[in-house]
Amino acid sequence: NAGVTQTPKFQVLKTGQSMTLQCAQDMNHNSMYWYRQDPGMGLRLIYYSASEGTTDKGEVPNGYNVSRLNKREFSLRLESAAPSQTSVYFCASSETPWTQYFGPGTRLTVL
Amino acid sequence: DAKTTQPPSMDCAEGRAANLPCNHSTISGNEYVYWYRQIHSQGPQYIIHGLKNNETNEMASLIITEDRKSSTLILPHATLRDTAVYYCIVRAWDNYQLIWGAGTKLIIKP
Repeated sequence: NAGVTQTPKFQVLKTGQSMTLQCAQDMNHNSMYWYRQDPGMGLRLIYYSASEGTTDKGEVPNGYNVSRLNKREFSLRLESAAPSQTSVYFCASSETPWTQYFGPGTRLTVL
Repeated sequence: DAKTTQPPSMDCAEGRAANLPCNHSTISGNEYVYWYRQIHSQGPQYIIHGLKNNETNEMASLIITEDRKSSTLILPHATLRDTAVYYCIVRAWDNYQLIWGAGTKLIIKP
């Protein structure tokens, strides 16, 4: 099992560009999450999907959109990137709300 | 969700037990205590969780005080690979949103 995979691992964007971060899990989990982590801080939830077909806003959803493509895949889109979105993005999945399994992260820099 | 307070950093000698404290004085009756850790630049890793009873698994033990206002995560025989930031999180069992603080940076010294 690969667990939770994320692509790309690194990305540099210019202000105003758009991009989609991809996440996939092979554990047949119902729930998936997108977090961001800024230097020296804990993770902040952007969006989550409790089950296939549903998505909900987390703590910091502004500037992002998500798509739960199917049970395995959950993508995060930045429509118009801003320097404030420079961060490390983690995707996670879980079967129970408390035990989340995380991917390796995507390091995004917006110039 | 209740807030948590953790020391920003701690040291522990390799082979010793590492005891990481967490205060959650405003915890509600339906809120669990969860512990995760994040080894440098990697995604966080679930360690353990509990409601009011002490819990143990292959990674660690969780001791929750009787009034549930504080807890301690115990790594019984710390190794250098346990160097990480440890996060204590309190939330209701059916709440999907984990609120992460800054955690405790645990450094295991040889």
